[in-house]
Amino acid sequence: EPEVTQTPSHQVTQMGQEVILRCVPISNHLYFYWYRQILGQKVEFLVSFYNNEISEKSEIFDDQFSVERPDGSNFTLKIRSTKLEDSAMYFCASSEEGFAGANVLTFGAGSRLTVL
Amino acid sequence: AQSVTQPDIHITVSEGASLELRCNYSYGATPYLFWYVQSPGQGLQLLLKYFSGDTLVQGIKGFEAEFKRSQSSFNLRKPSVHWSDAAEYFCAVGATDYKLSFGAGTTVTVRA
Repeated sequence: EPEVTQTPSHQVTQMGQEVILRCVPISNHLYFYWYRQILGQKVEFLVSFYNNEISEKSEIFDDQFSVERPDGSNFTLKIRSTKLEDSAMYFCASSEEGFAGANVLTFGAGSRLTVL
Repeated sequence: AQSVTQPDIHITVSEGASLELRCNYSYGATPYLFWYVQSPGQGLQLLLKYFSGDTLVQGIKGFEAEFKRSQSSFNLRKPSVHWSDAAEYFCAVGATDYKLSFGAGTTVTVRA
């Protein structure tokens, strides 16, 4: 069964450092997403991406965050200058079509980011 | 904006017993509803979804859920729980935009 692959599975970084989380979505999917889950809290939407541009973003997704599809297979989330509160599990997801409600997202296993 | 409430943070159930996880949603129109499961070290796996039609939805691993519009609920059920069902379960609601709104999750512990 096709799956979404995320690397690294766990990253520890110092506050103020840049972090890049990588994702390989399912090959025929066109829409890509990042969600995050702070320990003990809800899974929260960060951003959706289609046709090489952001289609929607949440208020969490401020200027410290950026996304990119640098080639035909990878989808990355960059945090420019990490803060302690960025510590969370970050989930990548992809879908065949735009999520006009009636679509299914396939999630990766997550990348746990710990900011010290 | 849509939102989801999962009233139970943690449920413990005996193996072989039935399981019901509660989910209430808030959304002004017909929602798109999902249940995901997360086992330790795993990603979010889709158990089942409701888009329209029959309000009783069958999913994988023997799970089912019933959409009740009058109660704004989408409760998940399994008649007989297996030890491998120990995991965290998330209810989510989608609308006509690009995001899912998740509940806080319910952790299920299965005792022998």
